[in-house]
Amino acid sequence: QSVLTQPPSASGTPGQRVTISCFGSSSNIGSNAVNWFRQLPGTTPKLLIYTNIQRPSGVPDRISGSKSGTSASLAISGLQSEDEADYSCAAWDDSLNGWVFGGGTKLTVL
Amino acid sequence: QVQLVQSGAEVKKPGASVKVSCKASGYTLSGYYLHWVRQAPGQGLEWMGWINPNSGVTNYAQKFQGRVTMTRDTSISTANMELSRLKSDDTALYYCAREKSSGYGNFDYWGQGTLVTVSS
Repeated sequence: QSVLTQPPSASGTPGQRVTISCFGSSSNIGSNAVNWFRQLPGTTPKLLIYTNIQRPSGVPDRISGSKSGTSASLAISGLQSEDEADYSCAAWDDSLNGWVFGGGTKLTVL
Repeated sequence: QVQLVQSGAEVKKPGASVKVSCKASGYTLSGYYLHWVRQAPGQGLEWMGWINPNSGVTNYAQKFQGRVTMTRDTSISTANMELSRLKSDDTALYYCAREKSSGYGNFDYWGQGTLVTVSS
């Protein structure tokens, strides 16, 4: 069981906007920033968003992050077939004194 | 360019230990924290701990304390992760990842992963 909770799956059609949620608690998301990673099938994770809203260079602005209270969301607009991947959230947990991840959400582009 | 290259796949018996290495190139190993993250088949990512390659100071996830040891050899730009008393549910892909800014969790470069299989 992952400490952060994500829906196991999400889907959308090309061009659509989809959001993926991540639920935590006061000891992690409630008091610390959230990062998001994308993992294409058979590849290593790639950083998409850090400190809730920051995009590393090379990540397009159609990808955005937000946080409110003990939950966070990743939004992808202008959905493309290459967005089909697993998406995971992460945050520091003050109680566990370590990084915790969500179980991942598999995004399917229909 | 920055690269993290990990050692090859391992097959171990329950109770044994495994040591995975992660060789850094394209940057100075001691300049960035190095984390270890694993992923069991069909499961999510799981953080195991970090090492500050500059000082050798480590911070292990509570789940792995007493079983994991992270070390580094800056002379060969290599970090290592050793996991002992292996169990079948330790079967996973083990990654090393560089943290660009200490404390931010912005893991910007990852190793290719090392598959560790624990089976009798």
